Amino acid sequence: GAVVSQHPSRVICKSGTSVKIECRSLDFQATTMFWYRQFPKQSLMLMATSNEGSKATYEQGVEKDKFLINHASLTLSTLTVTSAHPEDSSFYICSANQWGGPSSYEQYFGPGTRLTVT
Amino acid sequence: GQNIDQPTEMTATEGAIVQINCTYQTSGFNGLFWYQQHAGEAPTFLSYNVLDGLEEKGRFSSFLSRSKGYSYLLLKELQMKDSASYLCAVRDNAAGNTGKLIFGQGTTLQVKP
Repeated sequence: GAVVSQHPSRVICKSGTSVKIECRSLDFQATTMFWYRQFPKQSLMLMATSNEGSKATYEQGVEKDKFLINHASLTLSTLTVTSAHPEDSSFYICSANQWGGPSSYEQYFGPGTRLTVT
Repeated sequence: GQNIDQPTEMTATEGAIVQINCTYQTSGFNGLFWYQQHAGEAPTFLSYNVLDGLEEKGRFSSFLSRSKGYSYLLLKELQMKDSASYLCAVRDNAAGNTGKLIFGQGTTLQVKP
């Protein structure tokens, strides 16, 4: 089946610094990837849709200058949390669609990245 | 607006059957998904419904009624390992959207011996 990886799995950073999270589709090409954030005991909240070769589409209330998304290739999207603050501490999960594949309706999720800002 | 509702918590007994309901109101519809998520892990795909009716896959079944904006996930022969959060999600293909998933708040299921 289609596999999506994320790196790092856990990261601790100091307030004011920036953190980059990578999302890779390992065995398929993903023209669209999605970034979610999940706070404890809450559901997934879509932050933005990442489109290969174009600007990301952000959901209402998500600051595009704070959460920078780059989708430079068909297998890699990155999310950079700039000037991180403790309230940005969360579980960040990416997903990708395998368009044209046998299960093209399915969205494959990465394992998630636990960000802690101190 | 977009709205997906499911119960917050449910408790069931090992070996029993449990039904988790989900109602939705979205601007577009191109399928409903159920995911299982254990604490600290990413969601794993359980089922997908795009047409009305029941989809069965082993111990798990999912039902959809598009006219009622309603779905349920049925878990049979419950096992302790089924204790997890179950997320209902709708793919919204309304104009301007890219098939993004909109998630409900999730139902935390606790299976007791």
